[in-house]
Amino acid sequence: GENVEQHPSTLSVQEGDSAVIKCTYSDSASNYFPWYKQELGKRPQLIIDIRSNVGEKKDQRIAVTLNKTAKHFSLHITETQPEDSAVYFCAASKGGYNTDKLIFGTGTRLQVFP
Amino acid sequence: EPEVTQTPSHQVTQMGQEVILRCVPISNHLYFYWYRQILGQKVEFLVSFYNNEISEKSEIFDDQFSVERPDGSNFTLKIRSTKLEDSAMYFCASSPRPIRTGNNEQFFGPGTRLTVL
Repeated sequence: GENVEQHPSTLSVQEGDSAVIKCTYSDSASNYFPWYKQELGKRPQLIIDIRSNVGEKKDQRIAVTLNKTAKHFSLHITETQPEDSAVYFCAASKGGYNTDKLIFGTGTRLQVFP
Repeated sequence: EPEVTQTPSHQVTQMGQEVILRCVPISNHLYFYWYRQILGQKVEFLVSFYNNEISEKSEIFDDQFSVERPDGSNFTLKIRSTKLEDSAMYFCASSPRPIRTGNNEQFFGPGTRLTVL
């Protein structure tokens, strides 16, 4: 069935360092890959997304890369700050006519130490 | 900026009781979703809803669950007879249009924490 694997489950970095979170998806028909940030007790919020016709996308300190052949996609955060500390979820969707259900990864708890 | 809202923020119920979780999606959105997140686990898809009908549902969404859009603004999730394992955070989400047309970000509500005793 549809599945998204995410690694690592926890990640600790020093402020200013980079953080990389990796995901693998199983359904080759997936064509949309969002990343959500979830702070403790709050709703998931979209931070960046990428579509299958693009290999890389950047937004300031955040970038996402996609390798469709390997069915991998990754989140890169540069110059990390303490406020980046949160749980990050990757997700995949194959965009049907009337539904875009998201299949989420298991999450990565990122801790940025000052 | 418009947001998805959900009520109540926390619902405590006895096993076997019915609960209704309420959501108000963003007003011009057409696609609606319910997800759940058991404490410390990943977010799981429950059901999607478009054009006043269910478009897809997961294995979790069995006969105990139902969804409804009773008017032009509310979107509800009903659990007919709650079980202990239904305890979770339930998120409603909405999006303006599907992936194939672009601009399909799903906006999540703040969630309803359901505790079944």
